[in-house]
Amino acid sequence: QVQLVESGGGVVQPGRSLRLSCAASGFTFSSYGMHWVRQAPGKGLEWVAVISNDVSNKHYGDSVKGRFTISRDNSRNTLHLQMNSLRVEDTAVYYCGKDWGSSGYFGVDYWGQGTLVTVSS
Amino acid sequence: QSVLTQPPSASGTPGQRVTISCSGSSSNIGINTVNWYQQLPGTAPKLLIYNNNQRPSGVPDRFSGSKSGTSASLAISGLQSEDEADYDCAAWDVTLDAYVFGTGTQVTVL
Repeated sequence: QVQLVESGGGVVQPGRSLRLSCAASGFTFSSYGMHWVRQAPGKGLEWVAVISNDVSNKHYGDSVKGRFTISRDNSRNTLHLQMNSLRVEDTAVYYCGKDWGSSGYFGVDYWGQGTLVTVSS
Repeated sequence: QSVLTQPPSASGTPGQRVTISCSGSSSNIGINTVNWYQQLPGTAPKLLIYNNNQRPSGVPDRFSGSKSGTSASLAISGLQSEDEADYDCAAWDVTLDAYVFGTGTQVTVL
């Protein structure tokens, strides 16, 4: 069965960096687009970024553009999110999600359990 | 901010039918497929409907989805207490180059 396990969350000061990882199993990782989606405490879902199966396409939400970078290692079945210049408003649970297509344009069909990132001084 | 609009809340008694709307535009729902998610308190979202009206394996047939033009709907028939959750629609937006979520609807079983 599909499993997505996020790691790397924690407490970080504003302006610092953090790298999230997502270990995937139970499907052919290199065949599917992958997403990061976040949810601030008490708020709704906010899409963060997507990467296509072959790394040819990457897109970002406006609130993280220029600060966050999505990447993947198909040889290790792992997805990453490098978060730089973190702000208090980046505080959220970050979910890794598998797309049901290769491009990343169809949407998330499987979700990880999430990892909490808290940005605070 | 969200570009897909949903009512903030919906409610019904056990056994009733509840419908949730999702209003978008020609750059998202009008041109791409719609997915629906259910999020129970304290848990990760779960895919409920994909490709407008398809149910993943294991999702009860009480849940159904439809799409017309730039709007979509999720219907829950035979409402049960375990259906009390937040529901979100989502679709790819070709103008924003982003996967956009709805504003979310909290369903309460009275």
